[in-house]
Amino acid sequence: AQSVAQPEDQVNVAEGNPLTVKCTYSVSGNPYLFWYVQYPNRGLQFLLKYITGDNLVKGSYGFEAEFNKSQTSFHLKKPSALVSDSALYFCAVRHTEAGTALIFGKGTTLSVSS
Amino acid sequence: GAVVSQHPSRVICKSGTSVKIECRSLDFQATTMFWYRQFPKKSLMLMATSNEGSKATYEQGVEKDKFLINHASLTLSTLTVTSAHPEDSSFYICSASRPGELFFGSGTQLSVL
Repeated sequence: AQSVAQPEDQVNVAEGNPLTVKCTYSVSGNPYLFWYVQYPNRGLQFLLKYITGDNLVKGSYGFEAEFNKSQTSFHLKKPSALVSDSALYFCAVRHTEAGTALIFGKGTTLSVSS
Repeated sequence: GAVVSQHPSRVICKSGTSVKIECRSLDFQATTMFWYRQFPKKSLMLMATSNEGSKATYEQGVEKDKFLINHASLTLSTLTVTSAHPEDSSFYICSASRPGELFFGSGTQLSVL
């Protein structure tokens, strides 16, 4: 069975500092990995995905994530956090089989202080 | 880019009534749609997978008679919460799939009084 773990309920960083939101996954075969952001009472906004190729994936709003197969991790990173980055972040995994759903982690609340 | 429209965005209803939520793929045909439920400050839990022209596949623990899913066309799936109760209050999000990609609706906040 597929699963995603986000070990931190909340991450606090100061504006301008680098941020990391952690994610590890468990899936048979090669995974499709995703990061989404959710603002209060809103739907999900796609940030980035890893399908294949370069392990470092660059996405929206300056975010990037590094796929590490040996550690089964897909941590989200940003070199310099903004207050506006404060939101709920979800890591998700999908089986490569067509038509399968995304399985989400529990989410990590990112709080960036000014 | 592809857009998924979900309607309504917010609905308040009385206990015992039924509520229908629509999910439309606006510029592509979605052979598969997914329905998720999200509790406050919690993750999205997959409720069911909806395939056009066939019965939905429900996840374990989801009552198929309470949460009726109809995928009548390649661009429309509906979720009907039947005889809603306060414990059904939640944020419901749909997702539409096309090869290699998934797109999400903006969600529906259901409040049952």
